[in-house]
Amino acid sequence: DTEVTQTPKHLVMGMTNKKSLKCEQHMGHRAMYWYKQKAKKPPELMFVYSYEKLSINESVPSRFSPECPNSSLLNLHLHALQPEDSALYLCASSREARSQDEQYFGPGTRLTVT
Amino acid sequence: LAKTTQPISMDSYEGQEVNITCSHNNIATNDYITWYQQFPSQGPRFIIQGYKTKVTNEVASLFIPADRKSSTLSLPRVSLSDTAVYYCLVEGSGNTGKLIFGQGTTLQVKP
Repeated sequence: DTEVTQTPKHLVMGMTNKKSLKCEQHMGHRAMYWYKQKAKKPPELMFVYSYEKLSINESVPSRFSPECPNSSLLNLHLHALQPEDSALYLCASSREARSQDEQYFGPGTRLTVT
Repeated sequence: LAKTTQPISMDSYEGQEVNITCSHNNIATNDYITWYQQFPSQGPRFIIQGYKTKVTNEVASLFIPADRKSSTLSLPRVSLSDTAVYYCLVEGSGNTGKLIFGQGTTLQVKP
């Protein structure tokens, strides 16, 4: 199984809402990532988890809160988002947190903030 | 992290070979060259990775000259389904997992 799953596929939320994005992999990977991708732009790294510990935070605003409950799951908690946060949020995993390791990406969650 | 430069877009026709060149003049000794493919509304997908000379897999070939300041992704006999954005990444062997995607090359394959 080389699949990374993400739920939900689409999410519409107001600026005062709290919601969560979920990501799951069962490949035994010990590194998991969140990326943000705006339309017609490349993916931008947000967070890296290595062995369930946050290892990189790319200066992401605190309204985005990542969580890694176990080695297979990665969540992204959203609170008080802005309309400019509307984007495709991609989760990925790799065997280890090494830049040359192949990253497996999920299909993404399309987020719209109203 | 080395910066990469790729053409913004390319057009091709079905059945042709497509070569996409990436420039990375500041590549470091421990940097690998990796290519990802992305279809609309999907996550990127790893295509191929190399360090020097030539690498080939079932999908593509990667040519890297001796100075490693550029690389060329070669897609043999493209089909309409190869229409996608192709990203060239140059990443070190450090234990970070950090990938920096450049603007990529949008390949349009026509019938």
